[in-house]
Amino acid sequence: QKEVEQNSGPLSVPEGAIASLNCTYSDRGSQSFFWYRQYSGKSPELIMFIYSNGDKEDGRFTAQLNKASQYVSLLIRDSQPSDSATYLCAVRNAGNNRKLIWGLGTSLAVNP
Amino acid sequence: DADVTQTPRNRITKTGKRIMLECSQTKGHDRMYWYRQDPGLGLRLIYYSFDVKDINKGEISDGYSVSRQAQAKFSLSLESAIPNQTALYFCATSAGQKNSPLHFGNGTRLTVT
Repeated sequence: QKEVEQNSGPLSVPEGAIASLNCTYSDRGSQSFFWYRQYSGKSPELIMFIYSNGDKEDGRFTAQLNKASQYVSLLIRDSQPSDSATYLCAVRNAGNNRKLIWGLGTSLAVNP
Repeated sequence: DADVTQTPRNRITKTGKRIMLECSQTKGHDRMYWYRQDPGLGLRLIYYSFDVKDINKGEISDGYSVSRQAQAKFSLSLESAIPNQTALYFCATSAGQKNSPLHFGNGTRLTVT
């Protein structure tokens, strides 16, 4: 079992719709959770992070964390074609020198 | 100006050559990382450093070495490049708090022929 799992996609949504991206993790001691966006051939850029159960909103993005069920999700409201990218989930554990464990990413395509 | 700068942006080299990828940062972060990214394999950690005197191997350190010349500089060397080291390489930095995210450089696309 991989430590951080994401559906590879592609996830295809129409412009203006809500895109929902999910990530599950195996270590119950995980403390911090990050969502990055990566365009093809470019570097990952941080969208947001969350460390408490519940929702955290930033503009069109909402991160949701459920530690009991060991998943974190990212919702993108009013999806735009410019949101088409790969979304990476990263999880920081309490131990292991607190390195980030990365998922393989979910490819999102927003269709005009 | 980029906070995390990698040079070169692209490099083509031949098998057996020694090459160095450089990373410098103006973010004032103590922690620096080198990752490689391959299609289908995601981001894999090569080496990381929590301060100038601290160097640690990551998941895939064989065939690589690093040098932390200063708080702001962290270089990655391939002693004798081989074709399966062809990949996209990223340098990243972070502060030391548990919620600190990684900040990435623009990457170096390395091709070994």
